[in-house]
Amino acid sequence: QVQLQESGPGLVKPSQTLSLTCTVSGGSISSSGYYWSWIRQPAGKGLEWIGRIYTSGTTNYNPSLKSRVTVSLDTSKNQFSLKLSSVTAADTAIYYCARRVVATYYFDYWGQGTLVTVSS
Amino acid sequence: QSVLTQPPSVSAAPGQKVTISCSGSSSNIANNYISWYQQLPGTAPKLLIYENDKRPSGIPDRFSGSKSGTSATLGITGLQTGDEADYYCGTWDSSLTAGGYVFGTGTKVTVL
Repeated sequence: QVQLQESGPGLVKPSQTLSLTCTVSGGSISSSGYYWSWIRQPAGKGLEWIGRIYTSGTTNYNPSLKSRVTVSLDTSKNQFSLKLSSVTAADTAIYYCARRVVATYYFDYWGQGTLVTVSS
Repeated sequence: QSVLTQPPSVSAAPGQKVTISCSGSSSNIANNYISWYQQLPGTAPKLLIYENDKRPSGIPDRFSGSKSGTSATLGITGLQTGDEADYYCGTWDSSLTAGGYVFGTGTKVTVL
């Protein structure tokens, strides 16, 4: 059974960089055929896809966040990471990591989510 | 601002049926499979329907999905109190502006 777990600081100051890590267990992040994604949800609002990375390292980002987002892989630790720069209060949200099978259009495994608050 | 539009809320009595619509366009729903997610209060979203009408293992057949043109529908029959949750549709969007995975605006299901 694949499991994903987000980790990182729960509080980030405005203008700084938000950094989160997703640890994958029960399967190898190096296995071909999967996209590893980040999704966020502000309190009381809907889901927003942030971006994804493929096993090869190829990335795709939400156009509205593209200039501030970097998603990377660490295969030695079976982890992938999110960096979001120049954060503001509008970036306060629960951040989820999730897995999507290539050539499909759904996320089959999700992390439990981690709340990140942007405040001074 | 999502490119997939859902009604903010739907409600029905226990045992009844509800349907949730998801309206999109030619750059998303019309040319890609739709999936649906259930988000119980305080929890992560859970895959409910994939490839328009397929249910993952463990999802009861009270939940069904369909797609026609630029719209999709989630149906829940035999409504139970445990079905009270937010529901989201999702798919890939190939437009330059929204390009990437997009979710619907979300619908809150209330069991009266």
